[in-house]
Amino acid sequence: SQQGEEDPQALSIQEGENATMNCSYKTSINNLQWYRQNSGRGLVHLILIRSNEREKHSGRLRVTLDTSKKSSSLLITASRAADTASYFCATVLMDSSYKLIFGSGTRLLVRP
Amino acid sequence: NAGVTQTPKFQVLKTGQSMTLQCAQDMNHEYMSWYRQDPGMGLRLIHYSVGAGITDQGEVPNGYNVSRSTTEDFPLRLLSAAPSQTSVYFCASSRDRGAQYFGPGTRLTVT
Repeated sequence: SQQGEEDPQALSIQEGENATMNCSYKTSINNLQWYRQNSGRGLVHLILIRSNEREKHSGRLRVTLDTSKKSSSLLITASRAADTASYFCATVLMDSSYKLIFGSGTRLLVRP
Repeated sequence: NAGVTQTPKFQVLKTGQSMTLQCAQDMNHEYMSWYRQDPGMGLRLIHYSVGAGITDQGEVPNGYNVSRSTTEDFPLRLLSAAPSQTSVYFCASSRDRGAQYFGPGTRLTVT
């Protein structure tokens, strides 16, 4: 089964609103990453948060990590139509491998 | 830099045929990996490599082979294609346990 699971599976908001996506995982991690995928395209890395960090910002993105609850959230503030995409969390485990295990994703639709 | 390149972009195979999906990166990254993405789902790891000559299995390795003879190239071989292997295949690379850089994908259909 997949390490990460995202919630909600789909989200529809109005332009200008904030979008929050959540990710839960099962085993201890080295870091957690968020990616965006536009329809029919490859994935683009957005932000990485390490297991000893609690919050990280990048432009309109804010990521939090709660290792006690094994969960993370991605907040996109002041959303734009161009933010319409699928968003995936992915975890790198604490073992010696470099494996990146993806969640099932959240499909975000930002209505103009 | 071209980043991560994948060829072909599209491929149609008949059941039982074999083929190789090519992946190359020009960023001198040690870590490379192959994923498949089925409709409406996330990516599942097929095989990965932490350096030339070193490969290991991911979550769904059956039916696929890989080798890594150079840092730049990481081809994925389908031994005997099956309809269940119809998917979009992505190759990715990274320097360490950080951000992975993805190729544009290969859309494979097996009839």
